[in-house]
Amino acid sequence: KAGVTQTPRYLIKTRGQQVTLSCSPISGHRSVSWYQQTPGQGLQFLFEYFSETQRNKGNFPGRFSGRQFSNSRSEMNVSTLELGDSALYLCASREGTGPRLNTEAFFGQGTRLTVV
Amino acid sequence: KNQVEQSPQSLIILEGKNCTLQCNYTVSPFSNLRWYKQDTGRGPVSLTIMTFSENTKSNGRYTATLDADTKQSSLHITASQLSDSASYICVVTFSNTGKLIFGQGTTLQVKP
Repeated sequence: KAGVTQTPRYLIKTRGQQVTLSCSPISGHRSVSWYQQTPGQGLQFLFEYFSETQRNKGNFPGRFSGRQFSNSRSEMNVSTLELGDSALYLCASREGTGPRLNTEAFFGQGTRLTVV
Repeated sequence: KNQVEQSPQSLIILEGKNCTLQCNYTVSPFSNLRWYKQDTGRGPVSLTIMTFSENTKSNGRYTATLDADTKQSSLHITASQLSDSASYICVVTFSNTGKLIFGQGTTLQVKP
């Protein structure tokens, strides 16, 4: 079974531009979560999608948005990039989501975004 | 507030030595606690997962313990190897929503 696939692996963008990152979950997994990881900050939760609906959202500005397609693939978009958006963006897939669910989260390798 | 705190922030040990990483949480109610290993520049990989009713779980040289009464967990690494150099992240699932609450991680460096 293929793992979680994130594309691209590396990206360099200029301040003010916008970027779209992609995540393909493990086959059969319907939940996709996105995280931002910067040195010293740990993983910061962005949002979670399940069956094309956003289920949870973190404390990020509206410049960060996402969506999920019918095949469970998900995209994350960041508009008007700022230098502080430079980070490793990780996505994780789970079979399901919701209360009292013990399904394990599997992470992709991440997309390293550098804003210059 | 649901939080996960890890200590120490960083740790340096010699190859072959044992070490223990700590995780304290205030997440309530919680359904499970996981430990992940993250190599530099890569995604986290699950080491162990324990439900609130489990006290210990092993994965090779990694042993995790959980005390749900004191809301503490530890990850013990036995006979460390250079490849154990990584960040170790404690993650607790908030039962009410299924949301994952992450600790800041402990960076472990194993030296020859």
